[in-house]
Amino acid sequence: EDKVVQSPLSLVVHEGDTVTLNCSYEVTNFRSLLWYKQEKKAPTFLFMLTSSGIEKKSGRLSSILDKKELSSILNITATQTGDSAIYLCAVLTGTASKLTFGTGTRLQVTL
Amino acid sequence: DTAVSQTPKYLVTQMGNDKSIKCEQNLGHDTMYWYKQDSKKFLKIMFSYNNKELIINETVPNRFSPKSPDKAHLNLHINSLELGDSAVYFCASSQAGLFSGNTIYFGEGSWLTVV
Repeated sequence: EDKVVQSPLSLVVHEGDTVTLNCSYEVTNFRSLLWYKQEKKAPTFLFMLTSSGIEKKSGRLSSILDKKELSSILNITATQTGDSAIYLCAVLTGTASKLTFGTGTRLQVTL
Repeated sequence: DTAVSQTPKYLVTQMGNDKSIKCEQNLGHDTMYWYKQDSKKFLKIMFSYNNKELIINETVPNRFSPKSPDKAHLNLHINSLELGDSAVYFCASSQAGLFSGNTIYFGEGSWLTVV
């Protein structure tokens, strides 16, 4: 069975800190790894990573995939209270667009 | 305009009842999904349809039956509701799978509480 594990499960930091969220996977027929941010409602898309070692950036967020280590990290620099959310990692596998989600990391940014 | 819309947003019902959640997307996408998010926020795929054809059917009790009348709609019918069915159900859609860098768009979720 495909498995996606995220760590830490939850994290509390002060505004301005830099955080690193981890995602590791054990799946069959890996295609891509995706990161989502979920606040109160639906998850919103952050990044899709397919190639190893190529960093994707969007503002203060960046992410990179390591296919040798079967893992990915999501970095957030200069955190703000608006970054407080659950960050979900998902792995796309197979030919049928199946996304397997991790358990998420709950990030809380305090003043 | 909401891209992926689900109704109802909130549903409280008694054990044993039958209920349906409807989903519609106006993005012209070919593929639609149902995901279940439990109380621990774990999102798990239930079903996926591509052009009205079922392509993913995870280990879900057969009390759950998806129906796709056309590629813009994917409804979820649940028979004989149980307490453990309480969760948030997310509908989602994507264009022709997710292999071309296309992303998946989620609806806002339907909060189901079985009492």
